[in-house]
Amino acid sequence: EVQLVESGGGLVQPGGSLRLSCAASGFSLKNYWMHWVRQGPGKGLVWLSRINIDGSTTSYADSVKGRFTISRDNAKNTVYLQMNSLRDEDTAVYYCARGGPDAYWGQGTLVTVSS
Amino acid sequence: EIVLTQSPGTLSLSPGERVTLSCRASQSVKNYLVWYQQKPGQTPRLLIYDASNRATGIPDRFSGSGSGTDFTLTISRLEPEDFAVYYCQQYGSSPYTFGQGTKLEIK
Repeated sequence: EVQLVESGGGLVQPGGSLRLSCAASGFSLKNYWMHWVRQGPGKGLVWLSRINIDGSTTSYADSVKGRFTISRDNAKNTVYLQMNSLRDEDTAVYYCARGGPDAYWGQGTLVTVSS
Repeated sequence: EIVLTQSPGTLSLSPGERVTLSCRASQSVKNYLVWYQQKPGQTPRLLIYDASNRATGIPDRFSGSGSGTDFTLTISRLEPEDFAVYYCQQYGSSPYTFGQGTKLEIK
């Protein structure tokens, strides 16, 4: 069974950092581009970042460029999102997603940025 | 950044009706567009990829069309489980932006 399980969310103060993980099972992560997407409370979907299959190229939304870093460890079947300089407006559920015509999303992890 | 504009914002319809949702891009994305369905408390579900190809397991009442800047998602006959929010997303150019969503509600 295909699964993506995000972890690492929680409550953090403005200016703080978190590292999200996305563990894949039931398929080999190394064959897919991977993405991070977030959804604020009651809001729409916002694409944040993507990484290619070997991690050699990445791209980011302007809203997180310079603050967030996507990476992957194919040997561990895991993708990461390092989030620094967090702001109140980064409060959201963060999803990792497998790209392509067989796209698949994890259940998400909640990040709350608040003092 | 490519802006995707979905219309209308909300649609109130009855089961059995036909519906067409629109997604317009601020510049060409060729056919690099997907449609997702999201129900409350659930993760998005891929419906259509490459503008017109149904994803695995998606009923044939869902169809997508368009290329360039204008795209549509059509549901030929609404079932009760189709009432949800629908998002388009382009992957022709990074950042891979989403539209703001269209909410399909029961009349």
